[in-house]
Amino acid sequence: DAGVIQSPRHEVTEMGQEVTLRCKPISGHDYLFWYRQTMMRGLELLIYFNNNVPIDDSGMPEDRFSAKMPNASFSTLKIQPSEPRDSAVYFCATQDAETQYFGPGTRLLVL
Amino acid sequence: RKEVEQDPGPFNVPEGATVAFNCTYSNSASQSFFWYRQDCRKEPKLLMSVYSSGNEDGRFTAQLNRASQYISLLIRDSKLSDSATYLCVVNQKGDDKIIFGKGTRLHILP
Repeated sequence: DAGVIQSPRHEVTEMGQEVTLRCKPISGHDYLFWYRQTMMRGLELLIYFNNNVPIDDSGMPEDRFSAKMPNASFSTLKIQPSEPRDSAVYFCATQDAETQYFGPGTRLLVL
Repeated sequence: RKEVEQDPGPFNVPEGATVAFNCTYSNSASQSFFWYRQDCRKEPKLLMSVYSSGNEDGRFTAQLNRASQYISLLIRDSKLSDSATYLCVVNQKGDDKIIFGKGTRLHILP
C-alpha cells in the first residue's frame, strides 16, 4: 500500500482564494482525520470521519473550513476564503486499530 | 490545565547518553497512550504504544503512571538519528477523542 496520499504537497495562494486539499486514505481504514500543525499551536484535530460520516468537527476553526468524504477512498478539506492565518501544514491521517498513519502533509502558505 | 502537556525542550543530549521525558494528561478516563516521532518537515509516525505494565523496544522504554497521570519515554544509548520531536498521544475512549501533545524536541549532539 502506498500509504496515505495527500495533494498538493505545497500550496501558495493569495488571501481570499479558495483552497482545496485532498486525501486518499489507506484502503480498509475506517477512520480519517484532518489535522493542522503550526509552531504556535502544535497539532490540532480539525475533523474526523468514521465510515465516511463526519463524527466530530468541533476543531474546525470557523465556517470558512469545510470537509467532505464522498466515498471511502477520498476526502477533501476546503478553505474559502483563505486568510494568512490559515498558513500551516495540513495532515490527513487514517487509523487501523489504534494506530494513526499520517500522510506527508500539505504545506499551505496564504499571502 | 491542558489536556496533554509536554516540555517543549529542546533537550540537547550528547550521543550515547540516556534521556527521558514525560507527558502529563488531565483526563483520568484516558485509556490508551502512545509516543509518536516526527522528524523535521515530515509527518508524525508511531514510535510505540504505552502499556500499563510498561514496555520496551530496543533502546526505548515507555511507562505509564496512572496515579500521577503521566507517561514517560526513556531512550538509552542515544544516537544522532534519534534527533526528532516526540509527541505524546492520549486516547479518551469514551468520546473517541485523540489528543496530541505539542511535542518535545530532542537534539542528539555528536
